[in-house]
Amino acid sequence: EPEVTQTPSHQVTQMGQEVILRCVPISNHLYFYWYRQILGQKVEFLVSFYNNEISEKSEIFDDQFSVERPDGSNFTLKIRSTKLEDSAMYFCASFEASGANVLTFGAGSRLTVL
Amino acid sequence: EDQVTQSPEALRLQEGESSSLNCSYTVSGLRGLFWYRQDPGKGPEFLFTLYSAGEEKEKERLKATLTKKESFLHITAPKPEDSATYLCAVHLSGNTGKLIFGQGTTLQVKP
Repeated sequence: EPEVTQTPSHQVTQMGQEVILRCVPISNHLYFYWYRQILGQKVEFLVSFYNNEISEKSEIFDDQFSVERPDGSNFTLKIRSTKLEDSAMYFCASFEASGANVLTFGAGSRLTVL
Repeated sequence: EDQVTQSPEALRLQEGESSSLNCSYTVSGLRGLFWYRQDPGKGPEFLFTLYSAGEEKEKERLKATLTKKESFLHITAPKPEDSATYLCAVHLSGNTGKLIFGQGTTLQVKP
């Protein structure tokens, strides 16, 4: 069964450092997303990406965040200068928008900011 | 404001003891309602999508139903392996996949 792959599974970083989280969406999907889940809280939408540009972003997705699809297969989330409150699980998801109409999530990348 | 609320927050059942989880929603326009299962430290795993009031879907011991204001996830004769957090999320009309999640119901099934 097709799956969304995320790396790394866990990253520990110092406050103020840049991190890049990587995702390989399902190959025939056209819409890509990043969500995050702070421990014990709801899964929250960060950003959606379609046709090589951001289609929607939340209030959380400020200037410290950016997304990119550099090579047609990878989809990355960059946090420029991490803060303690960025510690969370970050989930990548992709969406076919036809047929099954299912948003498929990856296993997540746990980010710990010290 | 679009909102999704799940109840109860936690549920403990004995193996074989059937029950229901609730997801109530207040949204401007519903394109679909999703149920996901989430195991600790893992990503949400898709279970069902429901599109219109009156719709029902089943998978093994799980059955999801939808009304105009809420959805139920019925668990019949649960087993310990059904223990997980069950997430409800709404997909709003007019956008392309952004989901609004509830806080989840953590189910524990004891043998």
